[in-house]
Amino acid sequence: AQTVTQSQPEMSVQEAETVTLSCTYDTSESDYYLFWYKQPPSRQMILVIRQEAYKQQNATENRFSVNFQKAAKSFSLKISDSQLGDAAMYFCAYRSAWDQLIWGAGTKLIIKP
Amino acid sequence: DGGITQSPKYLFRKEGQNVTLSCEQNLNHDAMYWYRQDPGQGLRLIYYSQIVNDFQKGDIAEGYSVSREKKESFPLTVTSAQKNPTAFYLCASSRAAGVDTGELFFGEGSRLTVL
Repeated sequence: AQTVTQSQPEMSVQEAETVTLSCTYDTSESDYYLFWYKQPPSRQMILVIRQEAYKQQNATENRFSVNFQKAAKSFSLKISDSQLGDAAMYFCAYRSAWDQLIWGAGTKLIIKP
Repeated sequence: DGGITQSPKYLFRKEGQNVTLSCEQNLNHDAMYWYRQDPGQGLRLIYYSQIVNDFQKGDIAEGYSVSREKKESFPLTVTSAQKNPTAFYLCASSRAAGVDTGELFFGEGSRLTVL
C-alpha cells in the first residue's frame, strides 16, 4: 500500500529566510501525482503546489518550489523568503492515476518575526 | 464567490445521538469528499461521491453515512455507531474524480465534540 511520511512534526524559520519541509512516499506505481497543501489557522486547506511524476522538471510557484527525487521517492517543499502568512500546517499528499489522495501527517511551520 | 460551505462550524453531541454535517458547493464540481482530521494524523477519507446518487466508502466509513441527492450537496451523518466521533471534519470537492489535476477545494471544516 502507498504511504506518505512527513518526518518533521514541527519546523520553525526566521522571517525572510528559507525553509525546507520533507516528504517521502512509498509506491510501486510509475504514474502518479504529488501535492503540497497548506492549512492555515483559519483551517481552510489550499493547494500550494503540484508535481506530476512524469515531469522531470521541479514545479515552482512563486516563493514555493519542490525538489522531486523520483528514484529516492522524495518530495520536499522549499519556501523562500518566508513570510508571517506562511505559518500553517503543511500536508504532503500522493495520488496514483486512478485512486484517492493519501496524506502525510503534516508539518507545523512556525515563522519567527 | 464560488466555494464550499460547511455548517455548523462547531457542534456538540451527546453520546447516542446522530448528527448531520452540511456541505454545499457552488463550484459545479462533480466529485465531493468527506475527510476526518485528527491531531498528528493525515486526513482520512470517510466517503466520496463522483456523481449524483452515487457514493463510495473511504478508508474509515464505519459509523458514518452520506447522501448525494443534488450535485451541490453532500451531507455527512455521524451515527451513534461511530465509536470515537470527536474530530475535525473537512468537506472537499474536485472537478472530476479519476484522472484530473487532483486539486481539491476545501470548506472551513466542522468540529464535532461528543460530550
